[in-house]
Amino acid sequence: GAGVSQSPSNKVTEKGKDVELRCDPISGHTALYWYRQSLGQGLEFLIYFQGNSAPDKSGLPSDRFSAERTGGSVSTLTIQRTQQEDSAVYLCASSQGQGIGMYEQYFGPGTRLTVT
Amino acid sequence: QKEVEQNSGPLSVPEGAIASLNCTYSDRGSQSFFWYRQYSGKSPELIMFIYSNGDKEDGRFTAQLNKASQYVSLLIRDSQPSDSATYLCAATTHFGNEKLTFGTGTRLTIIP
Repeated sequence: GAGVSQSPSNKVTEKGKDVELRCDPISGHTALYWYRQSLGQGLEFLIYFQGNSAPDKSGLPSDRFSAERTGGSVSTLTIQRTQQEDSAVYLCASSQGQGIGMYEQYFGPGTRLTVT
Repeated sequence: QKEVEQNSGPLSVPEGAIASLNCTYSDRGSQSFFWYRQYSGKSPELIMFIYSNGDKEDGRFTAQLNKASQYVSLLIRDSQPSDSATYLCAATTHFGNEKLTFGTGTRLTIIP
């Protein structure tokens, strides 16, 4: 079946502008995660959704970052007043549910954000 | 101290040999461990996960977990040039949905 999809694949924006990144999880997956990967760095957790709720927002780096999920499916990550340090690849992942064999996370292709 | 640590490499292995990738973790509450492969410019691809002590085999890949030593490894047998990638180790503290804590990855190069 279809995997996790993300859009846009690339985004170049000017410092101070707002951006929205979109994630479509695998159909039927209840959990959705946002991570980011900066050049030469490991993956950094941002936020996790179970359904439309976000039990863990601990990784959001500042209040400029927010995310929502609607209908238990699509999620949008919004970055307000972008800064150059926000430049990174933003990765979305989804997992099926609770229980052994159901919580492996599958990643989308990512959105490469460049703030100039 | 990072929660999940990996040797960044690069690790060079001749084609056909066994590649051994290692990972240690500091949180004794960690329960499940994942190995992802990431090609340059691509997103991570899940290879294997393991949550019980011992070995778990899947084709040319074997994951090994030793919770007493807080050590996870991935062995790749009969290494192929297509195995050249960065390998990421990740851990969670529950058998369920929660964030993955990643190591910084080990870059593996298979030499033809």
